[in-house]
Amino acid sequence: SQKIEQNSEALNIQEGKTATLTCNYTNYSPAYLQWYRQDPGRGPVFLLLIRENEKEKRKERLKVTFDTTLKQSLFHITASQPADSATYLCASGHDMRFGAGTRLTVKP
Amino acid sequence: DTGVSQDPRHKITKRGQNVTFRCDPISEHNRLYWYRQTLGQGPEFLTYFQNEAQLEKSRLLSDRFSAERPKGSFSTLEIQRTEQGDSAMYLCASRPTGGETQYFGPGTRLLVL
Repeated sequence: SQKIEQNSEALNIQEGKTATLTCNYTNYSPAYLQWYRQDPGRGPVFLLLIRENEKEKRKERLKVTFDTTLKQSLFHITASQPADSATYLCASGHDMRFGAGTRLTVKP
Repeated sequence: DTGVSQDPRHKITKRGQNVTFRCDPISEHNRLYWYRQTLGQGPEFLTYFQNEAQLEKSRLLSDRFSAERPKGSFSTLEIQRTEQGDSAMYLCASRPTGGETQYFGPGTRLLVL
């Protein structure tokens, strides 16, 4: 069956370090992937979209990669800050299938 | 505020009661989506509308759930004969035709006692 998975339920890092979150998909080939941020009790907020023919996309301290061979997307936050603490969700293409999310905690 | 709005934000009900939630999308967004999210999980797709037409419905969606978007603007999601397993956050999102990004509302948190 088609799946999109975020393997890490939680990630704790020190302020200033780079956070790297992983999203894997199986049994299908999404035309694009999206990353969202979700704070407790709120709806997800769109961050970045990357298409299958793009290897990398950047926005300020955020970077997303898309490896169709590995069937994986990586989401990086550089120079992380405590305000980056949230759950990050990846979602695939038009069917908007979401992973379970990774809860990131950045400690001062 | 021109974002997606949902009402109510919280709902507590007893098992067996019916509940209805409302979503007002961003104006001019043709597509409207409903999701359900439980703790520790990502949003799970329920259904979506293109204008007033309901184009897709999850196979996992019980027939106790029904959604409408009568004039292609706001939408309602009704759950009949609620069960404790229906307790979740119900999220609405809208998207312009041809756009790829969804804009989510704040959600309605349902607790069924």
